[in-house]
Amino acid sequence: GENVEQHPSTLSVQEGDSAVIKCTYSDSASNYFPWYKQELGKGPQLIIDIRSNVGEKKDQRIAVTLNKTAKHFSLHITETQPEDSAVYFCAASREGGKLIFGQGTELSVKP
Amino acid sequence: DTGVSQNPRHKITKRGQNVTFRCDPISEHNRLYWYRQTLGQGPEFLTYFQNEAQLEKSRLLSDRFSAERPKGSFSTLEIQRTEQGDSAMYLCASRTSENTEAFFGQGTRLTVV
Repeated sequence: GENVEQHPSTLSVQEGDSAVIKCTYSDSASNYFPWYKQELGKGPQLIIDIRSNVGEKKDQRIAVTLNKTAKHFSLHITETQPEDSAVYFCAASREGGKLIFGQGTELSVKP
Repeated sequence: DTGVSQNPRHKITKRGQNVTFRCDPISEHNRLYWYRQTLGQGPEFLTYFQNEAQLEKSRLLSDRFSAERPKGSFSTLEIQRTEQGDSAMYLCASRTSENTEAFFGQGTRLTVV
């Protein structure tokens, strides 16, 4: 069935370092890959997304890469700040379909 | 319109009682999704609507769960005869059918005691 695996489950970095979170998906028909940030007690908030016709997308300190052949995609956060601390989820979907989420990565940025 | 709105934010109920949650999507969004999230896990898809039509239901959605979107605007999710295993955060999301970006509400946290 449809599945998204996300690693690592926890990640601790020093302020200013980079953080990388990786996901793999099983449904080869998936063509939309968003990343969400979730703070305690709140709903997920979209931070960046990528579609299958693009291999890389960047927005300031955040970038996402996609390898469709290998069916994996990654989130890169550079120059991390304490306010980046949260749980991050990757997801995959077919065009217009439901989102299948990974298990989440709890990122801790230490000042 | 400030985004997807969910009510109530918190609900504590006794086992066996029925509960109903409401979701008000972003006004121009015709697709509405319900997800369930337990502690330490990612959101799991439950069901979604395009306008008033319920297009897909997960096998996670037992017979005790029912969702409606009668006029293609707000939606309700009802759980009958609640069980302790129903305790979770129930999330609603909406988007247009032309734009795959989904916006989530703050969720309703259900605790069954």
